[in-house]
Amino acid sequence: EDQVTQSPEALRLQEGESSSLNCSYTVSGLRGLFWYRQDPGKGPEFLFTLYSAGEEKEKERLKATLTKKESFLHITAPKPEDSATYLCAVQGGNYGQNFVFGPGTRLSVLP
Amino acid sequence: DVKVTQSSRYLVKRTGEKVFLECVQDMDHENMFWYRQDPGLGLRLIYFSYDVKMKEKGDIPEGYSVSREKKERFSLILESASTNQTSMYLCASRIAGSQRGYEQYFGPGTRLTVT
Repeated sequence: EDQVTQSPEALRLQEGESSSLNCSYTVSGLRGLFWYRQDPGKGPEFLFTLYSAGEEKEKERLKATLTKKESFLHITAPKPEDSATYLCAVQGGNYGQNFVFGPGTRLSVLP
Repeated sequence: DVKVTQSSRYLVKRTGEKVFLECVQDMDHENMFWYRQDPGLGLRLIYFSYDVKMKEKGDIPEGYSVSREKKERFSLILESASTNQTSMYLCASRIAGSQRGYEQYFGPGTRLTVT
């Protein structure tokens, strides 16, 4: 069964304090790993897709990396506007077209 | 830019009412999805559709049905709303892929309260 876990559950950072969020997964035949940002009361906003171990993607202060068992979302010098819940999802070969979502990491960046 | 819109941001209905949630996407995506999101339970898939007039049950289809008569529109129907269907409902769409996975794009969500 495909599974996704995320850690930590919640993270508080000072503005400018870099850190990483973890997404660990077990999946048969990874077809893609996806990162989303979700603000309270809104729909998830797509950030990155990663397909194979060693792949990296960057966008502003965010950088996503992928290994065979986990993905990291690195946040460099975060700002208060980076506060959100970050969701990780995988699509594997056994679940058809569907995603398995992790529970998310709730990030707070304090000024 | 991909745009997924949902008919209502907030909705309040009474127990037993029939409820329609509408979702429209403007990117000619084949796949469309309905999720509900609850605190502590995360995103759970209700129904999805590979293409027009095609639908498949997700993880929690009980109490729901769907309709997809046109490619751009996917409707979620609560046949007889109950209080345990109070939730945030999210629609998503995506281009179809066989070997490669593609990202889903989400709408803004509908916060449904059943009283």
